[in-house]
Amino acid sequence: GNSVTQMEGPVTLSEEAFLTINCTYTATGYPSLFWYVQYPGEGLQLLLKATKADDKGSNKGFEATYRKETTSFHLEKGSVQVSDSAVYFCALSYGNNRLAFGKGNQVVVIP
Amino acid sequence: SQTIHQWPATLVQPVGSPLSLECTVEGTSNPNLYWYRQAAGRGLQLLFYSVGIGQISSEVPQNLSASRPQDRQFILSSKKLLLSDSGFYLCAWSLTAFSGNTIYFGEGSWLTVV
Repeated sequence: GNSVTQMEGPVTLSEEAFLTINCTYTATGYPSLFWYVQYPGEGLQLLLKATKADDKGSNKGFEATYRKETTSFHLEKGSVQVSDSAVYFCALSYGNNRLAFGKGNQVVVIP
Repeated sequence: SQTIHQWPATLVQPVGSPLSLECTVEGTSNPNLYWYRQAAGRGLQLLFYSVGIGQISSEVPQNLSASRPQDRQFILSSKKLLLSDSGFYLCAWSLTAFSGNTIYFGEGSWLTVV
């Protein structure tokens, strides 16, 4: 089947710290991979995506590389800001563009 | 440009009452349409998807139903709500075919069943 696993628990860090959120997946075939962000009380916004192995998605200082050999798509940002506080979801797409999501990680950036 | 809207944004409904959430997409034709639910502590779950008018696929058995009466309109319904139907409901759309197409989400609807 298709599934996504994100590291457990919220992430709390200071402003300008380095952020990493781990994401691994199980899939049949070669899915596209996504990171979505959800700000409080809002819907989901696409943060970045990668459609094939070794692709790197990037946006707003965030990056993630599609690693087929480790079935991973870890999200990184070199220097976080308070405005990056949100919930981050890793996802993969399968038939008819359906998405399978990880459980999400709450990121709290402290000034 | 394409836009997606869903409403109402917030509603509080008693157990046993009916439900209707509506979603429309503008600026594109023949999109794939989706309903997801985000329940507290449970992540995002796909409820229904549609690849065309009148074509509805259900991902999980539940107390809800979906309909697509027009190309860019997607409705989520229930005849009798349960407490467990509470959650944040998200409508989404994508272009068809290519699995790498981005899926775009609406603003969401908060449903509290009391």
